[in-house]
Order: sequence, then structure tokens, then C-alpha cells
Amino acid sequence: GEDVEQSLFLSVREGDSSVINCTYTDSSSTYLYWYKQEPGAGLQLLTYIFSNMDMKQDQRLTVLLNKKDKHLSLRIADTQTGDSAIYFCAERVGGGYQKVTFGTGTKLQVIP
Amino acid sequence: DGGITQSPKYLFRKEGQNVTLSCEQNLNHDAMYWYRQDPGQGLRLIYYSQIVNDFQKGDIAEGYSVSREKKESFPLTVTSAQKNPTAFYLCASSTGTANSPLHFGNGTRLTVT
Repeated sequence: GEDVEQSLFLSVREGDSSVINCTYTDSSSTYLYWYKQEPGAGLQLLTYIFSNMDMKQDQRLTVLLNKKDKHLSLRIADTQTGDSAIYFCAERVGGGYQKVTFGTGTKLQVIP
Repeated sequence: DGGITQSPKYLFRKEGQNVTLSCEQNLNHDAMYWYRQDPGQGLRLIYYSQIVNDFQKGDIAEGYSVSREKKESFPLTVTSAQKNPTAFYLCASSTGTANSPLHFGNGTRLTVT
């Protein structure tokens, strides 16, 4: 079955890079997503990567996918205090109904 | 602006009462979803609907019910049978095609005492 795991907490200094990691178990994943959740709000899509890609860059965000190890990471360059939030990775598994499974979320704290 | 509206933002109920959470979208999306979020547990799927007048149970459907009479609307009823209803509830929608990500509303925090 599907299982997506993330560490619960990450603390970085403002201006440093943040790397949030995620592992998943279903090798038939088609798309993998990163979402951001600010306190008391819904989830905002940050970026996604198709499973046949290794890397995707979007401004300060870099997504790396190691399909062999089923490992996904999100790197945020020049981390700002406004990046403080919970970050969820999610995998979409192909099929008739394409189920999306979310990780537990990583709370990123940015220290000024 | 297109989006998903969940109301109310905060909801308080006494134990034993049913309560209905509203979710409306004007994105013209076919698929809609309800998730429950508890601290440290991520999001768990309650129900989903791929098309009007059709819906399926997710991973934790017990104690919940839904309807999908209109494309824009997917209300969730939390019944008295739900043992631990206090949680943050998130509604989402998507076009339903292969690569379409989920778009989320801002959630409803339900507290049952």
C-alpha cells in the first residue's frame, strides 16, 4: 500500500537553504507534489514533479527525485521568515481513480 | 477569482449532534474531496466524488456522509456516530485528469464538546 513519510520538524536560519525530505513506498507513483500550509489555512500547491523526471527547479525551489530509493526532496534557497510553514509531500498513484496520499508534514521554522 | 470556499471557518457543536460543513467551488472541477487533518497525522481521505451524483468512501468514511447534487457543491455531514469528530477539515477539488493537482479550501475547524 501507499505510505509517505517525512520528518516532523526542521529549523534553519534566515538566508540559509532548507532541505525537506520525503520517502514513499509505492513505485507506481505518477506525480509527486509539494504543498505548503500556513497556520489555520488550507494547503497551497508549491510545485510538482512527474515520476520520469529527476529534478525540477522553480525560482527558489528545487525538487529532486530519486526513484530508485523512492526519495523526494524540496530545497528552498535563501530561506525567509515567510517560508515558515508546514510542508507536505504527496504522491499520486495512477489508475482509474488517482489517489493522492499525503505525508505527515514537516514544520519548517525559520530563525531570523 | 476562482477558488474553493469552505464555511464556516470555526464550528462548535455538542456531542450527539450532526453537523454539516459546506464546500463550494467555482473552478468548474469535476472531482471533489474531503480530508481530515489531525496533528502529526497528515491528511486522511474521508470521501471523494469524481462526478455529480456519485461519490466513494475514502480511508476513514465511518461516521461521515456526503452528497454531490451539484458540480459546485460537496457538503460533508459529521454524524453523531463519528467517535472523534474534533479536527480540521479540508475540502479539495481537481479537474480529475491525470496530472491535475488538488486545490484546497481554507478549511473548517470543528470542535465537539
